[in-house]
Amino acid sequence: AQSVTQPDIHITVSEGASLELRCNYSYGATPYLFWYVQSPGQGLQLLLKYFSGDTLVQGIKGFEAEFKRSQSSFNLRKPSVHWSDAAEYFCAVGARNQGGKLIFGQGTELSVKP
Amino acid sequence: SQTIHQWPATLVQPVGSPLSLECTVEGTSNPNLYWYRQAAGRGLQLLFYSVGIGQISSEVPQNLSASRPQDRQFILSSKKLLLSDSGFYLCAWSGAPSSSYEQYFGPGTRLTVT
Repeated sequence: AQSVTQPDIHITVSEGASLELRCNYSYGATPYLFWYVQSPGQGLQLLLKYFSGDTLVQGIKGFEAEFKRSQSSFNLRKPSVHWSDAAEYFCAVGARNQGGKLIFGQGTELSVKP
Repeated sequence: SQTIHQWPATLVQPVGSPLSLECTVEGTSNPNLYWYRQAAGRGLQLLFYSVGIGQISSEVPQNLSASRPQDRQFILSSKKLLLSDSGFYLCAWSGAPSSSYEQYFGPGTRLTVT
């Protein structure tokens, strides 16, 4: 069965510092991978996705993520964090034979210090 | 462009009362539709998904039900609410699995059962 693990429940970084949020997945084949962001009391917004091809994918708001098959990871990065990036971040995995369903990690809450 | 609406935005209901949450999608046809629940401080739990009118799959046994009376309308219902039904309910849509797997989320409904 597929699963997604986000090891860090809460991360605090200083504004302007770099950011890396970790995501590990369990799936027997190449999955579809996603990162979403959720501000308090709002829905989820898609940041970026990986289907195939180039393992480094660029997303909105200056985020990028790298798919590493050998490590079963899809970590999210940003070189310089802005105060407005404070939010909850979710990694998700989808399978080609699961009818479009996604499995979400438990989320990582990002706080940004001024 | 596609948009997804959910209403109401917030709802406070007593235990034992009925529930009806509505989700509608505009700008696309024959979407896959999903209902998720997000408890405080936790990730997303898939409740129901639908690949077409009248086709509903339940992921978690519970006292909730879902219906899809029209192509772009998805309704979450309960005959008698429990305290444990409190949470943030999110509706999402995606294109046909053969085209893409990313899901797009509505703004959510905050349900408090008292």
